[in-house]
Amino acid sequence: DTGVSQDPRHKITKRGQNVTFRCDPISEHNRLYWYRQTLGQGPEFLTYFQNEAQLEKSRLLSNRFSAERPKGSFSTLEIQRTEQGDSAMYLCASSPQHATGVVNEQFFGPGTRLTVL
Amino acid sequence: AQKVTQAQTEISVVEKEDVTLDCVYETRDTTYYLFWYKQPPSGELVFLIRRNSFDEQNEISGRYSWNFQKSTSSFNFTITASQVVDSAVYFCALSEARRGGATNKLIFGTGTLLAVQP
Repeated sequence: DTGVSQDPRHKITKRGQNVTFRCDPISEHNRLYWYRQTLGQGPEFLTYFQNEAQLEKSRLLSNRFSAERPKGSFSTLEIQRTEQGDSAMYLCASSPQHATGVVNEQFFGPGTRLTVL
Repeated sequence: AQKVTQAQTEISVVEKEDVTLDCVYETRDTTYYLFWYKQPPSGELVFLIRRNSFDEQNEISGRYSWNFQKSTSSFNFTITASQVVDSAVYFCALSEARRGGATNKLIFGTGTLLAVQP
């Protein structure tokens, strides 16, 4: 399988605990995105990496959230001191480098569903 | 600000009916891209189509067709002869395409849930 993979697929945690999710993008893709999707809504952008550099963070991303992509390959998203409002599907997507002014499609992983009790 | 509106929250049709999903967008950019994604019950978003703002030609792919009209800022999606397997949530999305370092993040609508009854 050469698609985007995410681990774990489901995570149940208690309020106040820390959680970490992993995303493995398609191997030749240097662009990596994290989105969050709540019930009945479309995905909302959280953060973006180009290779190992984190180039944009949404205002949705509170200081309890941190993301890394240390070697420009896989990425991790950590949520510290989880709150019930963090319950959502966390989606990772990747896309290849594109020419200036061209936007390629993003390929999404299956997501990690987080439930905070 | 960029925004995507999918006014139809849910649509229910009977198999073999044609169905059109509406998408209206707002952007100040002159260069942008529009996308449609399908999210079946399994949850994984599946890419369907990408269209840039300079290409207003309609596109057909099998039972799927897309109508892009810049004059009305719409990018509608039609499924002909719908099938039960088409049941899913469909999302329209917009991305800016500015030169030099743009994130190109996707701005999604709220989605339309399509239920195709046998």
